[in-house]
Amino acid sequence: AQSVAQPEDQVNVAEGNPLTVKCTYSVSGNPYLFWYVQYPNRGLQFLLKYITGDNLVKGSYGFEAEFNKSQTSFHLKKPSALVSDSALYFCAVRDTGNTPLVFGKGTRLSVIA
Amino acid sequence: GAVVSQHPSWVICKSGTSVKIECRSLDFQATTMFWYRQFPKQSLMLMATSNEGSKATYEQGVEKDKFLINHASLTLSTLTVTSAHPEDSSFYICSAGTSTGGRLTQYFGPGTRLTVL
Repeated sequence: AQSVAQPEDQVNVAEGNPLTVKCTYSVSGNPYLFWYVQYPNRGLQFLLKYITGDNLVKGSYGFEAEFNKSQTSFHLKKPSALVSDSALYFCAVRDTGNTPLVFGKGTRLSVIA
Repeated sequence: GAVVSQHPSWVICKSGTSVKIECRSLDFQATTMFWYRQFPKQSLMLMATSNEGSKATYEQGVEKDKFLINHASLTLSTLTVTSAHPEDSSFYICSAGTSTGGRLTQYFGPGTRLTVL
């Protein structure tokens, strides 16, 4: 069965600094990896996904993530954080094309002006 | 883009009553619907998966008689929390899925916050 770990409950970063939100995964086959963002009392917004191809995936709002097979990681990054990036971020994985997404516990990102 | 709506966005009910939550795919047909539950400060937990016209498949530990799922059409799924109790208070999120070339894409609704008094 697939699983996702987000080791940090909270990440704090100053506005303008680079940010990283960590994610590691475990699947039996090739992973399908996703990042979503959730604002208070709102649904999930898709940021980006990795299925195949380049290990560096670019997504919405200037976010990107790097797939690292040897470290089974898919960390979310942004070169310069904005206060408006403050939200709850979820990493998700599935191990085949048609199974439902399994989510990590989420990481709360706070960007301080 | 694909839009998924949920109704109501929030609901407060008395203990012992039943609550129905609707999930609609507005501009596409969803072959599969998923229901997730999110506890405060926790992740989304998959409750069940349903295909149009078929019985839902529930995840381990989810009571199918308590959380009734109906998937009557390719654009509508409902979750009914029967005889709700305070411990059922949570944020419920539906997801509508389409498959193309064997790959599933999930679109998420905005969620419904249920508070049981």
